Amino acid sequence: QTVVTQEPSFSVSPGGTVTLTCGLSSGSVSTSYYPSWYQQTPGQAPRTLIYSTNTRSSGVPDRFSGSLLGNKAALTITGAQADDESDYYCVLYMGSGISLFGGGTKLTVL
Amino acid sequence: QVQLVQSGAEVKKPGASVKVSCKASGYTFTSYYMHWVRQAPGQGLEWMGIINPSGGSTSYAQKFQGRVTMTRDTSTSTVYMELSSLRSEDTAVYYCARGDYYGYFQHWGQGTLVTVSS
Repeated sequence: QTVVTQEPSFSVSPGGTVTLTCGLSSGSVSTSYYPSWYQQTPGQAPRTLIYSTNTRSSGVPDRFSGSLLGNKAALTITGAQADDESDYYCVLYMGSGISLFGGGTKLTVL
Repeated sequence: QVQLVQSGAEVKKPGASVKVSCKASGYTFTSYYMHWVRQAPGQGLEWMGIINPSGGSTSYAQKFQGRVTMTRDTSTSTVYMELSSLRSEDTAVYYCARGDYYGYFQHWGQGTLVTVSS
């Protein structure tokens, strides 16, 4: 059973840069997995950040960027702000209409 | 503007079924896929399945195969997610999300809390 892996937690200083990653328990992430990224604060519906590896969703500031880094997908946040403190989830497309979430990364800004 | 309005909270007993609705507006209903995603208390997001509102075809996560049914009503621009044989572990907020076939969830409903308790 394939598992999508994310760092459970990460911290960044205000104004700093952080890169969160999204991998596979077996194999490498490529553009064929159409990686996407979502931000969620407690009690709220998720907010869409990035899709198809590196395309920002409407209204998302360019502080958020997506890429492939080695054998993983990556979400980079530059100039971190206090309200970036959230849970971040990646999604990978597994074929035949099936998608799979990673376990999420809790980002702390301090 | 795109709106996805879900039905209200539900309380169900173990073994029962629940049917959650998601009414879409602000776009051509049959032009976009709809996904269902759930989140148990304090847990991460979990993809459940996808429905093509145009033809009604579906794909479900293996975990829910046999227990979940996704349908749509094009006359009311509404999609439905029915989950049967409920157990306490199904207590979660259930979201519909408009997106594409490849796991891009562009717009989200407000979520529906389903509580399974005896």
